[in-house]
Amino acid sequence: GEDVEQSLFLSVREGDSSVINCTYTDSSSTYLYWYKQEPGAGLQLLTYIFSNMDMKQDQRLTVLLNKKDKHLSLRIADTQTGDSAIYFCAERVGGSYIPTFGRGTSLIVHP
Amino acid sequence: DVKVTQSSRYLVKRTGEKVFLECVQDMDHENMFWYRQDPGLGLRLIYFSYDVKMKEKGDIPEGYSVSREKKERFSLILESASTNQTSMYLCASSLGSMAKGELFFGEGSRLTVL
Repeated sequence: GEDVEQSLFLSVREGDSSVINCTYTDSSSTYLYWYKQEPGAGLQLLTYIFSNMDMKQDQRLTVLLNKKDKHLSLRIADTQTGDSAIYFCAERVGGSYIPTFGRGTSLIVHP
Repeated sequence: DVKVTQSSRYLVKRTGEKVFLECVQDMDHENMFWYRQDPGLGLRLIYFSYDVKMKEKGDIPEGYSVSREKKERFSLILESASTNQTSMYLCASSLGSMAKGELFFGEGSRLTVL
């Protein structure tokens, strides 16, 4: 079955880089996603990567995918207080409309 | 701008009451979802609908039912609310194609059952 694991908390200093890690179990995953949830709000798609890619960069965000180890990471460069949120990793297997979410990592950015 | 609207941000109900949570999307999406979110447990899928009048149980359907009479509206029903259903409920929608599959979420409905 599908399972997505991520650590629950990460604390970083403003200006440093943050790296949020995620592992998944289903090797037939097609898309892997990072969603962001700000306090009191729903989730918003931050970025995604297709399973035939190793890396995707979008401004301050870098997504790395290691298919052999089934490991996905999200790096946020120059982390700001506005990046404080819960970050959810999710995978979607080909042929299914339903993604599987991890439990979310709370990123706390302190001055 | 795409939008998923949940009718109530905060509700307080009593044990045994019938509760309706409404969700409307304006993107003509085929798929709609209801999740509940609890601290440390992440998102758990309650029900999924891929078309009008079609529904599939998710991971935790017990104590819940759903209704999708129109494409844009997906309702979650708690027939007899219990205190363990106190939670944040999130509605989402997505396109019916197998492309990117991005989910668009509403702002959430925080339900407290006393």
